[in-house]
Amino acid sequence: AQKVTQAQTEISVVEKEDVTLDCVYETRDTTYYLFWYKQPPSGELVFLIRRNSFDEQNEISGRYSWNFQKSTSSFNFTITASQVVDSAVYFCALTGTIQGAQKLVFGQGTRLTINP
Amino acid sequence: DTGVSQDPRHKITKRGQNVTFRCDPISEHNRLYWYRQTLGQGPEFLTYFQNEAQLEKSRLLSDRFSAERPKGSFSTLEIQRTEQGDSAMYLCASSLGDFRYNEQFFGPGTRLTVL
Repeated sequence: AQKVTQAQTEISVVEKEDVTLDCVYETRDTTYYLFWYKQPPSGELVFLIRRNSFDEQNEISGRYSWNFQKSTSSFNFTITASQVVDSAVYFCALTGTIQGAQKLVFGQGTRLTINP
Repeated sequence: DTGVSQDPRHKITKRGQNVTFRCDPISEHNRLYWYRQTLGQGPEFLTYFQNEAQLEKSRLLSDRFSAERPKGSFSTLEIQRTEQGDSAMYLCASSLGDFRYNEQFFGPGTRLTVL
């Protein structure tokens, strides 16, 4: 069975602070994919990033960066110099096979509030 | 380039009524997914289509739920004899059928309230 755990239910920081959202996953598949999605107050899930299990390179996109560590089964997301517009619920998700449905298994989400 | 669209955005119905939701995926995507999201939770997989074939259904999808994707284009999700426990956001997503590009793009969702 696959499982994604986001232990931080809510985080609140002041604007311009750096913040890291944790994600820990479980899977028995040797090939899998990890994702982060953002869900702003409008409700639509916005795709942020996809990571393959065989590519452990960290990635940076502007103020966003992702740290993938297979040894600890973690895929953490850091926002540098946070802004009020970053306020949203963030979901980490996993799909565990290159065959079949490739359905997403989501964590429970972390509600991030950036205060001005 | 239009994204995934869903209709209606909101639906309020009385218990026992039937409701139908529509999803139009991104045009070149041959995979289409339905998820359900309740308050404070992450989305949960319901079912998926590869072109017009429904290839997997979650045990969450009771006999009152049925989904179709005629001609492999838009999809409909019908709930018969709605119950208060069906109140949730119903999300549709689409993706390419190639695992190298398997990110799913979501629509805005249909929020169902069963009174």
